[in-house]
Amino acid sequence: DGGITQSPKYLFRKEGQNVTLSCEQNLNHDAMYWYRQDPGQGLRLIYYSQIVNDFQKGDIAEGYSVSREKKESFPLTVTSAQKNPTAFYLCASRTRGSNIQYFGAGTRLSVL
Amino acid sequence: ELKVEQNPLFLSMQEGKNYTIYCNYSTTSDRLYWYRQDPGKSLESLFVLLSNGAVKQEGRLMASLDTKARLSTLHITAAVHDLSATYFCAVDRGGTSYGKLTFGQGTILTVHP
Repeated sequence: DGGITQSPKYLFRKEGQNVTLSCEQNLNHDAMYWYRQDPGQGLRLIYYSQIVNDFQKGDIAEGYSVSREKKESFPLTVTSAQKNPTAFYLCASRTRGSNIQYFGAGTRLSVL
Repeated sequence: ELKVEQNPLFLSMQEGKNYTIYCNYSTTSDRLYWYRQDPGKSLESLFVLLSNGAVKQEGRLMASLDTKARLSTLHITAAVHDLSATYFCAVDRGGTSYGKLTFGQGTILTVHP
C-alpha cells in the first residue's frame, strides 16, 4: 500500500530531551512538509523540503530541526529549545506538478 | 502575511438542514483546498479549487472559489451525521512559496438527529 507513515503514534518527552519523529513515504513524492496542530487550531508549517538534501524553514521553525537525506524520509527533531512541544504533528507530501498534499496519521507529542 | 479566516468556528446542525462555511483570505491566491479531519485523525483532501469561479461537488458537499472576493465557501446540503468533523480551508501562498499552505482555524461541524 502506498502512503505516508508516521511513527510513533504517541511520544513523550522529558525536560531537556531531544526527540525525533519519523515520516516515511513510498509515494515517490518530491516535496515533504511538517506541520504542528494545537488544540482547536489550524495547522502551522514548521519545515518543508522540495528536493533531497534541501529544506527550508516554515513559519514556526524555532526549536525544531529536520534532514532530507533520502527522498522517502523526512524526520523531524524536536529539540530541548522548543519550550512548548505538546502538540499533534503531521507530515505531508506532494508530488511535483500536483496541487494536493497528502497527510500521514500524525504523532501526538506530550511532555512528561 | 497571508491570513486565512473561517467562519463559523463551531457549527451545530440538524440532520437534513443546509448550511455554508466561509473561508476568507487576505492576499491574492488562486489555489485553495478544503480538508476534513475526524477527531484524533489525519487530514483528508476534499476539494482542490484552482481558478476563479471553480465549483466542485462531492455528495452533499459543494465548494466554490471567488478569487476576486478572496472567498471560498463549503456548502452542506441535507446534512447527515457522518458529516460531523472539522473542516479546514487552506490557501497556497503561490509564487516562490508554491506548495506552502496557510490553514484556517477550522470549523467544527456537529450534525444532530
